Amino acid sequence: DVKVTQSSRYLVKRTGEKVFLECVQDMDHENMFWYRQDPGLGLRLIYFSYDVKMKEKGDIPEGYSVSREKKERFSLILESASTNQTSMYLCASSLSLFEQFFGPGTRLTVL
Amino acid sequence: KNEVEQSPQNLTAQEGEFITINCSYSVGISALHWLQQHPGGGIVSLFMLSSGKKKHGRLIATINIQEKHSSLHITASHPRDSAVYICAVRSRGADGLTFGKGTHLIIQP
Repeated sequence: DVKVTQSSRYLVKRTGEKVFLECVQDMDHENMFWYRQDPGLGLRLIYFSYDVKMKEKGDIPEGYSVSREKKERFSLILESASTNQTSMYLCASSLSLFEQFFGPGTRLTVL
Repeated sequence: KNEVEQSPQNLTAQEGEFITINCSYSVGISALHWLQQHPGGGIVSLFMLSSGKKKHGRLIATINIQEKHSSLHITASHPRDSAVYICAVRSRGADGLTFGKGTHLIIQP
């Protein structure tokens, strides 16, 4: 079974802090994705990566950056966290551009 | 950009009822996904469709490409089916998925 893990289930940070969200997959998938999920808005794509050191902006990249130094790991970085970045963050990976496997999510609260 | 609409937003039903959740989209797609999200956040992929119909246990998913519409059916619903069901589409030529806002389903015993 594909396993996608995220470093934290719950995270509380202060405004202005730099925040790292880590995602690791164990199935040698080329494609990895970061989404945020907000009530009434559904899931929205922040960034995705289709290869090591490659990244593409999704629908809402502002305020975020990503890093993919190794194939199995895709990091989402909030350079200076703000309260409007309080959300559920979900990572996913896929071998092709079709079926995606999701991690358990990280619920981030920015105070 | 593809617009994905789901209906209903919320649905409460009694155990045993037949459930239908609808999804429509605005632009041609290469694939449509139905996902299930339980309380706590974890998302599981139920189906991926590009045409026709798929069945898995009590779940059935259909898609009509011409009408840009898909339905997810649950037969003999059970309280453990209570979850948020999310429709997501991959537009032709696009890399990421576009998601509907989800349908919150509650099955009461």
